[in-house]
Amino acid sequence: ETGVTQTPRHLVMGMTNKKSLKCEQHLGHNAMYWYKQSAKKPLELMFVYNFKEQTENNSVPSRFSPECPNSSHLFLHLHTLQPEDSALYLCASSPTDRGRGNQPQHFGDGTRLSIL
Amino acid sequence: QKEVEQNSGPLSVPEGAIASLNCTYSDRGSQSFFWYRQYSGKSPELIMFIYSNGDKEDGRFTAQLNKASQYVSLLIRDSQPSDSATYLCAVRRRDDKIIFGKGTRLHILP
Repeated sequence: ETGVTQTPRHLVMGMTNKKSLKCEQHLGHNAMYWYKQSAKKPLELMFVYNFKEQTENNSVPSRFSPECPNSSHLFLHLHTLQPEDSALYLCASSPTDRGRGNQPQHFGDGTRLSIL
Repeated sequence: QKEVEQNSGPLSVPEGAIASLNCTYSDRGSQSFFWYRQYSGKSPELIMFIYSNGDKEDGRFTAQLNKASQYVSLLIRDSQPSDSATYLCAVRRRDDKIIFGKGTRLHILP
């Protein structure tokens, strides 16, 4: 149990569907992150939220839309995805996004997304 | 040059031996360095972090940092089959962004 819970664990969707990924953290952290992990590629940071405010958008296509209603919850809304978007989507949290010194991120188990 | 570079492996090490995982980074002003372990189908799990030159030991794990050479390594002593996983190196740059390497697959041979 990492303290970061992601649902669903697996998702299969067509390119025209709309779905949402959910992340919840029980660690009292103020920063939350979305990462994409594809085979043979490093973890790619997508979005960063700090105290509910988006502080980073790493040139992510608009078909991915994040939402952070509070410091404990993070969503990733998906719409009109492409086959190359199939990947493991990981949520993480940390005390703040601008840690001084060493603030590691705690990851959820991810959502395995497959686009048909 | 990739920002954070790791040999993808697989690195095969006999049980009981020392496994040595290496990572180089390009931003000379990087501040902190993290090693994560990721089992197949699971999330990355923090093993160690280091921010000062030299060695840092925690149980069977030792992290080594050489900022002059822009090099960080992870040693695993007395390797166990349960250590078989992908090990991710992560570097916090001077602008506070954390960049991950692709990871090294480690296989401990029973």
